[in-house]
Amino acid sequence: GDSVTQMEGPVTLSEEAFLTINCTYTATGYPSLFWYVQYPGEGLQLLLKATKADDKGSNKGFEATYRKETTSFHLEKGSVQVSDSAVYFCALDTGRRALTFGSGTRLQVQP
Amino acid sequence: SAVISQKPSRDICQRGTSLTIQCQVDSQVTMMFWYRQQPGQSLTLIATANQGSEATYESGFVIDKFPISRPNLTFSTLTVSNMSPEDSSIYLCSVEGTGNIQYFGAGTRLSVL
Repeated sequence: GDSVTQMEGPVTLSEEAFLTINCTYTATGYPSLFWYVQYPGEGLQLLLKATKADDKGSNKGFEATYRKETTSFHLEKGSVQVSDSAVYFCALDTGRRALTFGSGTRLQVQP
Repeated sequence: SAVISQKPSRDICQRGTSLTIQCQVDSQVTMMFWYRQQPGQSLTLIATANQGSEATYESGFVIDKFPISRPNLTFSTLTVSNMSPEDSSIYLCSVEGTGNIQYFGAGTRLSVL
């Protein structure tokens, strides 16, 4: 079945450091890929998405590129801020409209 | 985008009782989804609810335990029945909006004593 694997957390970085959160997937067909963010005490918010191979999703300085050859969708940001502290979820949709989520990665950014 | 309101935002319940969670959307949507997020875990889909038909449950979830209603295109309820401490989780409602993007409510944080 479909699955998403994310790197274990927590990831602790200093402000202005470079961020990478790895995400790989297993799916039949050609899924759409998503990154969602969950700030403390809040629901999930869509951060970015990509719907086909080589697409790059971007938002708020975050980027992720849909790599079909490596079945990956790694999240990156060049310079993190304290306000980026949250849990990040990678997810996919193979067309059944419900999402399959990874386990989530907690990011802690220290001033 | 879609704005989703969930009620209650949190509750503490006694073992053996039931809780009904409401999900209200500010626009008409065809598909609504209910997810569970157990402590420190990812989200797991409970069921998909389409207006005018029975909800479709994922493996491991049954209608007797998690009955769902979908009376119209803007509203749904999920009931957690005969609760036990293992049901302590965050329950989230989501809808499919424009561009096949899913929008989530803030969730209902349930603690069962």
